[in-house]
Amino acid sequence: NSKVIQTPRYLVKGQGQKAKMRCIPEKGHPVVFWYQQNKNNEFKFLINFQNQEVLQQIDMTEKRFSAECPSNSPCSLEIQSSEAGDSALYLCASSLLGGLEQYFGPGTRLTVL
Amino acid sequence: TQTVSQSDAHVTVFEGDSVELRCNYSYGGSIYLSWYIQHHGHGLQFLLKYYSGNPVVQGVNGFEAEFSKSDSSFHLRKASVHWSDSAVYFCAVSASNNRIFFGDGTQLVVKP
Repeated sequence: NSKVIQTPRYLVKGQGQKAKMRCIPEKGHPVVFWYQQNKNNEFKFLINFQNQEVLQQIDMTEKRFSAECPSNSPCSLEIQSSEAGDSALYLCASSLLGGLEQYFGPGTRLTVL
Repeated sequence: TQTVSQSDAHVTVFEGDSVELRCNYSYGGSIYLSWYIQHHGHGLQFLLKYYSGNPVVQGVNGFEAEFSKSDSSFHLRKASVHWSDSAVYFCAVSASNNRIFFGDGTQLVVKP
């Protein structure tokens, strides 16, 4: 069973508000991923880190989304100005270095009113 | 370009029936195939994986999947389903420390 912790489980924000969610990867996993799952079950990769360094990210992430994985602190994903279309389940996953298997947390369900 | 295709959006069976959920992939290179299950309102749970070796892999709760390079497929099977198997199943492909590409999911409904 995955030991990835995500908080909060549910997040409700108004349009234009900041939305921040956190992830604690499995112990010993230096690689962290963020995905967005919309109501149609479509997944969108957002960003991944190796330790504190960004490995890959998509354009959307560069503009309104910010993410970090500071040393000895939870990783975080923040939407600077929430839009209705950001309403989704945000999933964090972690893996070993060079690992193929990703372990997922329970997700943070964001609702933007 | 990597793609994962799950041809059936919905599958309905009765408890005790066998089931096969289909998955086809397109990926240029060494790949890692997996299946995940998502119960309503929850995150993704890992079911099983294939990277190399025996093309038939066993997972949790009686699930198994068979890799076929010639068909570019990785179908998931279970011999006798239980009502608790009702969920959405996602086929996925990835490479080392790389993003996962998910299929669109198959909603499995198991009727009593």
